[in-house]
Amino acid sequence: ETGVTQTPRHLVMGMTNKKSLKCEQHLGHNAMYWYKQSAKKPLELMFVYNFKEQTENNSVPSRFSPECPNSSHLFLHLHTLQPEDSALYLCASSQFSSERGAYEQYFGPGTRLTVT
Amino acid sequence: TQLLEQSPQFLSIQEGENLTVYCNSSSVFSSLQWYRQEPGEGPVLLVTVVTGGEVKKLKRLTFQFGDARKDSSLHITAAQPGDTGLYLCAGPFSGTYKYIFGTGTRLKVLA
Repeated sequence: ETGVTQTPRHLVMGMTNKKSLKCEQHLGHNAMYWYKQSAKKPLELMFVYNFKEQTENNSVPSRFSPECPNSSHLFLHLHTLQPEDSALYLCASSQFSSERGAYEQYFGPGTRLTVT
Repeated sequence: TQLLEQSPQFLSIQEGENLTVYCNSSSVFSSLQWYRQEPGEGPVLLVTVVTGGEVKKLKRLTFQFGDARKDSSLHITAAQPGDTGLYLCAGPFSGTYKYIFGTGTRLKVLA
């Protein structure tokens, strides 16, 4: 399988549940990202990992907990979420392209999360 | 704080029409990227522009990076229903691998 994959594609969870989102990239990239996309809001950067080290936590509530065991896998652990956390959660990876002179991001299809 | 404002926010046009979408900032970016996102999917990278004044073409899509590297535009010639989607611009913080995204332009092309 190529590119960036995410599982599950859809998730419905209650506010007291614990669940995890999984992301896997097959592109050999060093950086991985979690984004949140809500209706009527720009794409929000949540977490960034570079070479498995977390380099950005964009003031995300502690009920979201990322994990990056290696450069190819990224998890987002969810616990005690609120209804306003319902959104599309997107994973991406990137690598510097010397041909284009810039980092370029490649996204997975996302997990549509609904918190009831 | 670096921000990217896109305009228009929504655009509904007939097949065959031309359109331009804008991405503006008060900050200088080392590069800007354009993505298209279809419902239920993640954004797909269309192009990266890195040089002020640069123009890139992708079939009927023409991308331009402003001379001062603070803005970019996307022009679509003879739009088709397959062009329907959310168009996003994005730029890196201070030339790093961390990005901010624009507010998005939702395009609908009617057959």
